[in-house]
Amino acid sequence: DSGVTQTPKHLITATGQRVTLRCSPRSGDLSVYWYQQSLDQGLQFLIQYYNGEERAKGNILERFSAQQFPDLHSELNLSSLELGDSALYFCASSVAPSGTSGELFFGEGSRLTVL
Amino acid sequence: GEDVEQSLFLSVREGDSSVINCTYTDSSSTYLYWYKQEPGAGLQLLTYIFSNMDMKQDQRLTVLLNKKDKHLSLRIADTQTGDSAIYFCASKGSQGNLIFGKGTKLSVKP
Repeated sequence: DSGVTQTPKHLITATGQRVTLRCSPRSGDLSVYWYQQSLDQGLQFLIQYYNGEERAKGNILERFSAQQFPDLHSELNLSSLELGDSALYFCASSVAPSGTSGELFFGEGSRLTVL
Repeated sequence: GEDVEQSLFLSVREGDSSVINCTYTDSSSTYLYWYKQEPGAGLQLLTYIFSNMDMKQDQRLTVLLNKKDKHLSLRIADTQTGDSAIYFCASKGSQGNLIFGKGTKLSVKP
C-alpha cells in the first residue's frame, strides 16, 4: 500500500459527459501528480500541484482541469469526454516538488471507460 | 522534446538474468529511475541512479548508466516468476516531473 488513495477505482460513462477523479496523497506529501496511462501512449504526465499551486503542466487537454485543495487532496476534472479519453488515470505524490531524488508514490489508478 | 524509449516485451526463463534497456533524450536529467507495475496496481519505485554514477547495485538489481549514449539498463539476476511485471524507465524532466517510457513487459517462464 503506497498510502495514495484514488477514487473511484472504475468509472463508466458516455461521450460528452463530465467526471471527477479524486486523489488523497500520502500523509505529509505536498506534491500531487496526475498521469494518464493508455495502451498506445504509455504513461503521459498531465499536471503537478505543490502545496495548492500548479507547478508543472504536461500534455493536459483544455477539456481537463485539476486543482489541489488546502487539505492537499486533488481532483482531476475531465469534461466533454471522448472515446479516446478511456484510460487509467494515476495520481502520485511526493514530499518535495523537485530537485531531490523525487520518488513518486502511486495510487492504484482510476480506470475510466467512455462508451 | 523530452522522451524515453524502451522495448515493449522481454521473455526469459526462471533463473536466467533479465536485462531491460532504455534510452532517454534529456542529457540534463539528474536522476534516472526504474519503476515496476504489477497487474492491477500502481507503479512502485524499484531503484534510481544519480547521473554522476555509472552503476548501482541493490541485491538482485543492477543499474548501468551510460551518459554519453544516454542509455540506461536494469539487470535482474536470478529472475523469478514473481518478477513478471511491466518495468518503466523514467527520467526527470525539465519541469521536475518524471517522464516515463512506455514500459517493458517482462514475462518469466518456469
